[in-house]
Amino acid sequence: KAGVTQTPRYLIKTRGQQVTLSCSPISGHRSVSWYQQTPGQGLQFLFEYFSETQRNKGNFPGRFSGRQFSNSRSEMNVSTLELGDSALYLCASSSDGQGGGSPLHFGNGTRLTVT
Amino acid sequence: EDQVTQSPEALRLQEGESSSLNCSYTVSGLRGLFWYRQDPGKGPEFLFTLYSAGEEKEKERLKATLTKKESFLHITAPKPEDSATYLCAAPYGGSQGNLIFGKGTKLSVKP
Repeated sequence: KAGVTQTPRYLIKTRGQQVTLSCSPISGHRSVSWYQQTPGQGLQFLFEYFSETQRNKGNFPGRFSGRQFSNSRSEMNVSTLELGDSALYLCASSSDGQGGGSPLHFGNGTRLTVT
Repeated sequence: EDQVTQSPEALRLQEGESSSLNCSYTVSGLRGLFWYRQDPGKGPEFLFTLYSAGEEKEKERLKATLTKKESFLHITAPKPEDSATYLCAAPYGGSQGNLIFGKGTKLSVKP
């Protein structure tokens, strides 16, 4: 079974631009979550989608948004990029509907650098 | 405040030298405690889920245990390939996709 696939692997953007990251979950997984990982803050939850609906949102500004498509693939968008948005963005999928206990399976992330 | 704290931040071991990593949590209504391993440049790889105090799970040289306030990841006779950052996490906010992560323990095993 193929794992979680994230594209692109690396991105370099300029302050003020916007960026879209893509995630394909494991086949059959309907829940997709996004995380930001930085050396200082570690892994922080951005949002979770299940069946095209945002189920949970972390404490990030509105510049961070996401969506999920009917095939469970997901995208996240960051508008008006700031230097502090430089991070590894991780997508994870699970088979659970609601708090059922299946673990998250992570992709290898998109490394975003904002200059 | 719900949080997950890991210690030590870094651990250097000689090959074969057993040790333990600690994860303490203050998440109300715990619905599982997860352990992950993360190699440089990669996403976290799932290792274990523990649900109730007293539960133990093993995989090769790793054993995870859970009490009411903390979890331990015991590494027995580690090898250099066990070098990685080990993360623990707990679900938060009513769904399994929202995990609070600890900052991790960076383990280095020297031959």
